[in-house]
Amino acid sequence: GAGVSQTPSNKVTEKGKYVELRCDPISGHTALYWYRQSLGQGPEFLIYFQGTGAADDSGLPNDRFFAVRPEGSVSTLKIQRTERGDSAVYLCASSPSGTGNTGELFFGEGSRLTVL
Amino acid sequence: DQQVKQNSPSLSVQEGRISILNCDYTNSMFDYFLWYKKYPAEGPTFLISISSIKDKNEDGRFTVFLNKSAKHLSLHIVPSQPGDSAVYFCAAVPSSNTGKLIFGQGTTLQVKP
Repeated sequence: GAGVSQTPSNKVTEKGKYVELRCDPISGHTALYWYRQSLGQGPEFLIYFQGTGAADDSGLPNDRFFAVRPEGSVSTLKIQRTERGDSAVYLCASSPSGTGNTGELFFGEGSRLTVL
Repeated sequence: DQQVKQNSPSLSVQEGRISILNCDYTNSMFDYFLWYKKYPAEGPTFLISISSIKDKNEDGRFTVFLNKSAKHLSLHIVPSQPGDSAVYFCAAVPSSNTGKLIFGQGTTLQVKP
């Protein structure tokens, strides 16, 4: 389809392992966002890209989390030395340049990460 | 510090009646407020928004009301339909305009046939 695509949909890993989550935004959307949703909570902002650069990474919880968007389209969220507390659904969203300021984002279905 | 709060985790209404979902916020420096709807195993989808300079916005069966003095936002769904059963998130856009949305915890709405 033409929506935001996230892979994998489910990822189970062991504590201490490295994980990559991929997001393919809607074609032509220059803004891309990563959010994290824990059980019973609303989505929590992690990082926002405008083009290739991270415009705001203030939501990344610590230096184990890193995200890239090298060509201004696909983005990868990388988590090093995973901990059980990292278990959550990681949501990616995109928006056309300009509409992101009004909060209208297009979300993917999310990647559910479980750290054992 | 939860800047956007949805104090009711769940709400159940009868089909055809009004659903009212509530949201409170603590920061006056928000430009827009939005409601997102989420079905299980899907991402949130945008439903309706309101600018901080307005007090009402209507779109079909959905109306959002903003009371700035009370720092309170509500979503009215009339008439409610079983397909409206979902989790509803209130969200706010800070004036700094970084694309960062601040979400509430969500309210699960069940509309009974």
